Amino acid sequence: GDSVTQMEGPVTLSEEAFLTINCTYTATGYPSLFWYVQYPGEGLQLLLKATKADDKGSNKGFEATYRKETTSFHLEKGSVQVSDSAVYFCALFTGRKTSGSRLTFGEGTQLTVNP
Amino acid sequence: DSGVTQTPKHLITATGQRVTLRCSPRSGDLSVYWYQQSLDQGLQFLIQYYNGEERAKGNILERFSAQQFPDLHSELNLSSLELGDSALYFCASSVRRAGPGDEQFFGPGTRLTVL
Repeated sequence: GDSVTQMEGPVTLSEEAFLTINCTYTATGYPSLFWYVQYPGEGLQLLLKATKADDKGSNKGFEATYRKETTSFHLEKGSVQVSDSAVYFCALFTGRKTSGSRLTFGEGTQLTVNP
Repeated sequence: DSGVTQTPKHLITATGQRVTLRCSPRSGDLSVYWYQQSLDQGLQFLIQYYNGEERAKGNILERFSAQQFPDLHSELNLSSLELGDSALYFCASSVRRAGPGDEQFFGPGTRLTVL
């Protein structure tokens, strides 16, 4: 079945450091890939997405490129801020009109950014 | 604010009891999804409804059931509760049934504690 593997956390960085959170996936067909972020006490918010190979999703300084050859969708940001502290989830979307759709999530990575 | 509402925000109950969680999707969204977030299982897809019909099932226990009503709100019923059912339950909604890049908008969640 479909699965998503994220780098184990938690991750602690200083402000303005470079961030990479690794994500690899296993899926049949051509899933869409997403990064969601969960701030303390809140629901999940979409951070960025990519729907086909070599697409790059970007938002708020975060980027991720859909790499079909390595089945990866690593999240990067050049300079993190304290306000980026949250839990980040990599997810793949599988959807078929005949059998419904779902998101399959990775384990989540807790990011803490210190001033 | 995603536009998805969930009630109640917190629920504390005892083992063996039955509870109902309620979700109102964003205006115009026809698909509703339920997810369970727990420390040991992570974020797991439970079930999807589209325009009142069940479309996809994930790791949903037989003690759990859901439905989507004509006004498109949805309820998740959990019965014969066990300690292990303690978790954060999220509802999400999207416009279509299975579009590849469709964003799912998440509610704030209902935190269920079973004592």
